[in-house]
Amino acid sequence: KAGVTQTPRYLIKTRGQQVTLSCSPISGHRSVSWYQQTPGQGLQFLFEYFSETQRNKGNFPGRFSGRQFSNSRSEMNVSTLELGDSALYLCASSLLGQKQTQYFGPGTRLLVL
Amino acid sequence: AQSVTQPDIHITVSEGASLELRCNYSYGATPYLFWYVQSPGQGLQLLLKYFSGDTLVQGIKGFEAEFKRSQSSFNLRKPSVHWSDAAEYFCAVGAENNDMRFGAGTRLTVKP
Repeated sequence: KAGVTQTPRYLIKTRGQQVTLSCSPISGHRSVSWYQQTPGQGLQFLFEYFSETQRNKGNFPGRFSGRQFSNSRSEMNVSTLELGDSALYLCASSLLGQKQTQYFGPGTRLLVL
Repeated sequence: AQSVTQPDIHITVSEGASLELRCNYSYGATPYLFWYVQSPGQGLQLLLKYFSGDTLVQGIKGFEAEFKRSQSSFNLRKPSVHWSDAAEYFCAVGAENNDMRFGAGTRLTVKP
């Protein structure tokens, strides 16, 4: 079974631009979570989607948004990029909703110049 | 809210030596505990997990972890470290709503 895939793997943007990252979960998984990983803040939870609904949200500004499609694929969008948004963005999927093991993709490395 | 502390930022061990990585958690209910490993530039790979039952759990690559409720700990162990184990290790606690909290990570260096 294929694992979680994320595209693109690497991305360079400039301040003020917006970016969209994509995540395809493991087949059959309906929950997708997003995390931001930086050297200073570590791994921080962004949000979780389940059955096309955002069910949980971390402490990030409204510039960070996401959505999930009917096939469980998810996208996250960051508008008005700031230098501090440079990070590894990780997507994780799990089979159902709660109390489930999350499986991570390889991440998208975003560099904001 | 749940939280995780990994007291050791960096650990160096010799190849073939035993390893123990510490993890302490804070969570009001029964925690769901995980250890993940991350190689440079890669995503996180699940090593093992604890949901309930036997407090000693076995994982992949020869790792094991023991859940000790009285100490709020979930330490990761391996009897004999291989050079390929060099990576960053993350302990995480999961809540009912799937909001996972990660520790800051422990970077493992393996000396030849």
